[in-house]
Parts: sequence; C-alpha cells; structure tokens
Amino acid sequence: DAGVTQSPTHLIKTRGQHVTLRCSPISGHKSVSWYQQVLGQGPQFIFQYYEKEERGRGNFPDRFSARQFPNYSSELNVNALLLGDSALYLCASSRGLLNQPQHFGDGTRLSIL
Amino acid sequence: GENVEQHPSTLSVQEGDSAVIKCTYSDSASNYFPWYKQELGKGPQLIIDIRSNVGEKKDQRIAVTLNKTAKHFSLHITETQPEDSAVYFCAASPLPMDTGRRALTFGSGTRLQVQP
Repeated sequence: DAGVTQSPTHLIKTRGQHVTLRCSPISGHKSVSWYQQVLGQGPQFIFQYYEKEERGRGNFPDRFSARQFPNYSSELNVNALLLGDSALYLCASSRGLLNQPQHFGDGTRLSIL
Repeated sequence: GENVEQHPSTLSVQEGDSAVIKCTYSDSASNYFPWYKQELGKGPQLIIDIRSNVGEKKDQRIAVTLNKTAKHFSLHITETQPEDSAVYFCAASPLPMDTGRRALTFGSGTRLQVQP
C-alpha cells in the first residue's frame, strides 16, 4: 500500500503570497493532521481533521487554514506568507481519532523569499 | 498544554554499542508515547510506540520504557548499526484526543551518529 503522499515536494514563494499544500492519506485512514517543522526542531501541530471536520487546532494564526475532502485527502492553505513560514510541512494520517499511530509523509519544503 | 523535553540533543556511539534517549513530559493526561526516526530529506518514520497501561515494549533491537509516575519515557537501541544514524523524536499525546487538545507534542530531537 502507498504511504502518505504530499505535493508538491518543494515550493518557493515570496512574502505576501498564498500557498496550498496537498496530502493524500494511507488508504483506509480517515484522519489527517498537519505539522510544521522548522529546521532543527520537532514538528509542531497545526490541525487535525477527521471525517471532514476540524478536530484540533494548534497555536497558529488565522492565516493558516485547512480542509478535508470526502475522499479523506486534505489541503493546507497559508495566506499572506511571512519569512517565518519557511519550513517543512508534514502531513500525517491515522485510521481514526481513537486509533493511533500517525504515519507521516515526506513533507513539502516551503521556502519564502 | 503539553511540554516534552528530550535529551541528549546529540549522541555518538560506536557500532555495536547501545544508545539511550530520554524524554520527559508535563501533562498527566498524556497516555500515548511514540518514537519517530527521521532521515535527511524524509518525513518522520514511526519506529515504536507505547501506551500508558504498559511499562515496557520491545521490537527486536528497539525498546521503550515508560514511568508514568515520574513522567518520563526512554528509547533504547541495542547493537547499533550505521543505518541507525538519524534524528530521533519522542512525542506524547492524550488518547483519545478531545476537541481542542493538541495532537502529538514532539521533543526537540536527538541526532544519533553510529560510528562504524
């Protein structure tokens, strides 16, 4: 079975622009979570979605938003990009909220110029 | 919210030696503790996890121990090999996750280097 897939793998944007990152979970997984990983640090939780509903939100500004589609894939949107948004954005999927573990994709490397 | 501290930040061992990485957590509601291995250019890969009703879990050369009273858990890798070289992250979360609670809270990572 395919693992978690994310696209694009790399992205370069300038300050003030908007970006959309995409994630396809492992087949059979209904929950998707998004994390931000700044270089040299552990991933930080942004959002969790289950059955198309937001089930958890981390300490990120309203410029960050996400959604989950009927096929359980997900998008992360970031508006008004700042230099500090440069990071690896990771998507993780799990079967459900009550059923860990979370399996990660290889991420999207976002660079803001 | 949860805070997870991880030590050491770097660890260098000789091939065949054991490696131990330690983490502490602050939220007594946390009861699920996974460990991830992250290689350069890759996402974190789950290597082992433990739930609060278990004190120890083993999978071949990897073991994890949990002390809920002291709020700490450790990763033990025996007979280390060069391919074990990577960054290792511990994490903690409540299970089940209530609405509004954070999901996994990660430590800051340990860079393990296994010298051949």
